[in-house]
Amino acid sequence: QSALTQPASVSGSPGQSITISCTGTSSDVGGYNYVSWYQQHPGKAPKLMIYEVSNRPSGVSNRFSGSKSGNTASLTISGLQAEDEADYYCSSYTSSSTLGVFGGGTKLTVL
Amino acid sequence: EVQLVESGGGLVKPGGSLRLSCAASGFTFSSYSMNWVRQAPGKGLEWVSSISSSSSYIYYADSVKGRFTISRDNAKNSLYLQMNSLRAEDTAVYYCARGEWELPYWGQGTLVTVSS
Repeated sequence: QSALTQPASVSGSPGQSITISCTGTSSDVGGYNYVSWYQQHPGKAPKLMIYEVSNRPSGVSNRFSGSKSGNTASLTISGLQAEDEADYYCSSYTSSSTLGVFGGGTKLTVL
Repeated sequence: EVQLVESGGGLVKPGGSLRLSCAASGFTFSSYSMNWVRQAPGKGLEWVSSISSSSSYIYYADSVKGRFTISRDNAKNSLYLQMNSLRAEDTAVYYCARGEWELPYWGQGTLVTVSS
């Protein structure tokens, strides 16, 4: 099962917006709307931030939004805050495996 | 409140075995698919195994197929992962998580260290 491709790191200043990309293939990201995004702070369990490409679970700030174009999904965080500094992982359903697949993760640094 | 509590991790020698457990509460356990996801130290997330609500469908990552066995006991609201023939590369924090293609609930994880 091949991992989805994410940038290793992104950074932004408080108040700015950043976007994290997640590139797959037509067998996963491009073919289905089962793309999720997770936030993970050091030493903590991942937290679901976006599901089915663009839906936010209850309690997740509307500063977090998701989208997809072709084989690439994106997570955008607007109005960056210090507490957004964390690792972010995308995941997707994939027809080439019986399990979901994760991206390699992106470390977000708030400058 | 949904709670998932893993246990059973520890230090084991290469070739050894370990059984992880995940105790679930706060929801109707028998209605949901469950998963094991692991994270090696300093690395990303890896989907290890999943099991459907009635145990009818069971899936494994290629990296653990033939060595790990997932199971559940709906009467005890518990999920298990039997890990045999452990290797150094199985060293990771193992999380149990509820869901199918999105995982809204996770446990705190249990650390498995495979080392001589």
